[in-house]
Amino acid sequence: RKEVEQDPGPFNVPEGATVAFNCTYSNSASQSFFWYRQDCRKEPKLLMSVYSSGNEDGRFTAQLNRASQYISLLIRDSKLSDSATYLCVVRRDTGRRALTFGSGTRLQVQP
Amino acid sequence: ETGVTQTPRHLVMGMTNKKSLKCEQHLGHNAMYWTKQSAKKPLELMFVYNFKEQTENNSVPSRFSPECPNSSHLFLHLHTLQPEDSALYLCALRLREQYFGPGTRLTVT
Repeated sequence: RKEVEQDPGPFNVPEGATVAFNCTYSNSASQSFFWYRQDCRKEPKLLMSVYSSGNEDGRFTAQLNRASQYISLLIRDSKLSDSATYLCVVRRDTGRRALTFGSGTRLQVQP
Repeated sequence: ETGVTQTPRHLVMGMTNKKSLKCEQHLGHNAMYWTKQSAKKPLELMFVYNFKEQTENNSVPSRFSPECPNSSHLFLHLHTLQPEDSALYLCALRLREQYFGPGTRLTVT
């Protein structure tokens, strides 16, 4: 089983739609969680950290479920510019494999 | 702009060449990483440096040799690479979150 798993997609949604991605992680010692956005042939850019209480930034909402070991990202009112790959990143502050990356979920927002 | 720069941005090298990738930042950091992203594969963590000391090497072949001479610079020395080493090499630094540099796109011929 992969340490961090994401549905690769693609998720094809119309503009204005709400779309949600999940990311599951296998190591319960994981401490910090992040969502990144990656455009084609570019570096990943931090979208948001994921806090235990859940957090929201504009149209984006991230949640963490430690009991079930997954994080989620909800995008409301999708824009064409949201089309990208969304990476889940899991961090441990001690021990090996300090950072583990999901393979990414591809989102394509269509007009 | 994340404040992390990488040079060169693109590199083509033969299998017998020796080259170095450079990562530079002046933001202060707790850790710096080298990561690799091959076509159609997830990002992989290669090396971790904490305060100039290597604390993690994820079974990376010895043809990749990292160096962290000071808190602002991280190098990845390359020698006798293979075509399958062609990838995007991303440096990242850790503050509260991780910030990636723009990467070096490496092609080994």
